[in-house]
Amino acid sequence: GENVEQHPSTLSVQEGDSAVIKCTYSDSASNYFPWYKQELGKRPQLIIDIRSNVGEKKDQRIAVTLNKTAKHFSLHITETQPEDSAVYFCASHTGGGGSNYKLTFGKGTLLTVNP
Amino acid sequence: DAGITQSPRHKVTETGTPVTLRCHQTENHRYMYWYRQDPGHGLRLIHYSYGVKDTDKGEVSDGYSVSRSKTEDFLLTLESATSSQTSVYFCAMGHPEETQYFGPGTRLLVL
Repeated sequence: GENVEQHPSTLSVQEGDSAVIKCTYSDSASNYFPWYKQELGKRPQLIIDIRSNVGEKKDQRIAVTLNKTAKHFSLHITETQPEDSAVYFCASHTGGGGSNYKLTFGKGTLLTVNP
Repeated sequence: DAGITQSPRHKVTETGTPVTLRCHQTENHRYMYWYRQDPGHGLRLIHYSYGVKDTDKGEVSDGYSVSRSKTEDFLLTLESATSSQTSVYFCAMGHPEETQYFGPGTRLLVL
């Protein structure tokens, strides 16, 4: 089955700096890659996603890049703010139908933005 | 938040007792999921459902069973709770290639 590796497990940055979180996946048939943010004590929420036919996607200070050849994708947060402090999870979905209706999540990255 | 709730929100139980967690959604989503979240392990899929009475195992299904007798409810049962099942349990709904909406979570402590 699909395996998703996420690095780093913790990341500390100064306010205003950029943060980058990287994930690799194992199944070349994977076609959908979302990122979820989980604030302390809250539920995970989708912040951005990318599909396999796109190389990059931006939404204000957040961007995701996808390299299908290398089977990795990254989350980029620019001009970080204290409210960006949270755990971030990457995930992948492998298409193909059948009963493959699930996401595989990475283990998460705890991002701390220091004022 | 999207129309998905979990009950109970907190539960303390003893080893060997059965426990059932309920996930209820009002969005008529076909796909529903149960995850457990533990420090250092992220979100791990227990079971999922792709329709009424259609379920499949995830990566950590041992010791858990599920039932989906109607679209809006997805039940997770721990047949005989163990201390290793102490965790935070999240249910979620949504197509795997679209936004997944998570419930508020259930904190389960097995003594």
